[in-house]
Amino acid sequence: GAGVSQTPSNKVTEKGKYVELRCDPISGHTALYWYRQSLGQGPEFLIYFQGTGAADDSGLPNDRFFAVRPEGSVSTLKIQRTERGDSAVYLCASSLFTGDKEQFFGPGTRLTVL
Amino acid sequence: GQQLNQSPQSMFIQEGEDVSMNCTSSSIFNTWLWYKQDPGEGPVLLIALYKAGELTSNGRLTAQFGITRKDSFLNISASIPSDVGIYFCAGDYNAGNMLTFGGGTRLMVKP
Repeated sequence: GAGVSQTPSNKVTEKGKYVELRCDPISGHTALYWYRQSLGQGPEFLIYFQGTGAADDSGLPNDRFFAVRPEGSVSTLKIQRTERGDSAVYLCASSLFTGDKEQFFGPGTRLTVL
Repeated sequence: GQQLNQSPQSMFIQEGEDVSMNCTSSSIFNTWLWYKQDPGEGPVLLIALYKAGELTSNGRLTAQFGITRKDSFLNISASIPSDVGIYFCAGDYNAGNMLTFGGGTRLMVKP
């Protein structure tokens, strides 16, 4: 079956602009996660959804970052007033249910802020 | 935050050799997972471990959950060129659902 998909695959924006990154999880997976991966490092947790609600957003770096999952499937990560330090690969993952540690990742969106 | 120390940071080996890498933490982990990431791709799950002392294989890959619950290792036997990539350990150490990742081991295989 189809895996986790993310769009766009690459996004180049200017400092101060607003961006939206989309994630489409594996069909039937109720849990969805966003991670950020800087060059040469492992992914770092941002936010986790169970269904439509954000169950844990403790990894969001500041209030410029926000994510939604209005219908419990597709999720959008939104970044306001982007800064050069936001440049990274943003990874989305999903798992079958809450507590299932086997998370399956999408290919990521590479965000570059000029 | 919690950190996983992964070693070695990189390895350059001859095709056919066996490989071993490990991951340690100062805290007890409930689950250990090993992922492989190719350039431009997301991490792909290789093995998941759920109990202290558990030893699990997936083809040429073998991983173990340390009995102290603070470490894990991954072995790759008879390496081949397609084993090239970055291997990450990951785990969860609290009641939450996020994974904490190590810094990765970059594996290079010489044909």
